[in-house]
Amino acid sequence: EPEVTQTPSHQVTQMGQEVILRCVPISNHLYFYWYRQILGQKVEFLVSFYNNEISEKSEIFDDQFSVERPDGSNFTLKIRSTKLEDSAMYFCASSAGTSGALQETQYFGPGTRLLVL
Amino acid sequence: AQTVTQSQPEMSVQEAETVTLSCTYDTSESDYYLFWYKQPPSRQMILVIRQEAYKQQNATENRFSVNFQKAAKSFSLKISDSQLGDAAMYFCAYRSYGGSQGNLIFGKGTKLSVKP
Repeated sequence: EPEVTQTPSHQVTQMGQEVILRCVPISNHLYFYWYRQILGQKVEFLVSFYNNEISEKSEIFDDQFSVERPDGSNFTLKIRSTKLEDSAMYFCASSAGTSGALQETQYFGPGTRLLVL
Repeated sequence: AQTVTQSQPEMSVQEAETVTLSCTYDTSESDYYLFWYKQPPSRQMILVIRQEAYKQQNATENRFSVNFQKAAKSFSLKISDSQLGDAAMYFCAYRSYGGSQGNLIFGKGTKLSVKP
């Protein structure tokens, strides 16, 4: 069964450093998402991406964040200058389309656990 | 803005018994989707079940079923014949129907323990 993959599974970085989190969505999916989950809290939406551009973003997704689809398979989230409060689990998700529950269901990757020291 | 509320931070069930997890939501939209996701200790988010708001029939997936009450804005998850592997955090999520509002809005989750 196709699945979303994410690398690395864990990342430790120093405050102020740049990090890039990588995701490979399910191959025929067209919509891509990033979410984060601070430990013990609920999952929060960061950004959605379609047709090579951001379609929606939350207030969390400020100028320190950027997303990119550098080739036909990868989808990346970059944090330019990490802060302590960026420590969280980051989930990538993808969905097929916009017609029906099956198409619009988002499938999640296993997450990247980011720790900022 | 839409909100999702899970009023039970923790629940416990005996193995082989049935448990129901509650979820309510607030929206002014008439068309939307609702989902339950499971998050085991590995923290991966796994889809359990989905429901389209325009369908009156409650969704069922093997031992998992929902009780969708649109007028009451309630979407509870029933787990029958509970198994040890069902122990996890369960998140209820809302998604607007189509268009650009594609992000999922999650509740705070319910931690389910299964006793042998």
